[in-house]
Amino acid sequence: GENVEQHPSTLSVQEGDSAVIKCTYSDSASNYFPWYKQELGKRPQLIIDIRSNVGEKKDQRIAVTLNKTAKHFSLHITETQPEDSAVYFCAARSGFNKFYFGSGTKLNVKP
Amino acid sequence: GAVVSQHPSWVICKSGTSVKIECRSLDFQATTMFWYRQFPKQSLMLMATSNEGSKATYEQGVEKDKFLINHASLTLSTLTVTSAHPEDSSFYICSAEDSVYSNQPQHFGDGTRLSIL
Repeated sequence: GENVEQHPSTLSVQEGDSAVIKCTYSDSASNYFPWYKQELGKRPQLIIDIRSNVGEKKDQRIAVTLNKTAKHFSLHITETQPEDSAVYFCAARSGFNKFYFGSGTKLNVKP
Repeated sequence: GAVVSQHPSWVICKSGTSVKIECRSLDFQATTMFWYRQFPKQSLMLMATSNEGSKATYEQGVEKDKFLINHASLTLSTLTVTSAHPEDSSFYICSAEDSVYSNQPQHFGDGTRLSIL
């Protein structure tokens, strides 16, 4: 099945700086890659997603890039704010239409 | 927007009890629903894919006799943790995909925190 790896596991940045989280996947048939933000004890919230026919997508301060050849995708958050502090998960939808999640990145934005 | 209702949100029960968790799609039909398990400070681990009108497919290492899944209608899937023990304590989350508007993001329930004493 699909294997999604995510790095780093923790990331601490100063308010206003950028944050980058990277993920790799193994199933070349995976075609959809969402990113989620999860606060403690709550459901994951979709923040941005990208499909396999697109290389980059941006939504205000958040952007995602996808390199299908290398099988990796990244989340970029610019001008970080304290309220961006949370755990972020990448995911990949495999060729069997199942979703597999990365191990998570705890982002801490210091005021 | 699409809403998935998961119930109950919190369960505390004695060891040996069976616990049923419901996952409902409120404003869309879901042929497929997914059940995840999340331990503290860990990722969401896919347990099984629930398919309306047919048997669920379980991920490797997940005991199908321990975690019974029923998906009897297009809006409801249930997960029953049978004879639960303390090691089954976890956060269980379901998600659903819209059958009509495919290729859309999955919609998550609020999760169920299960604590077995």
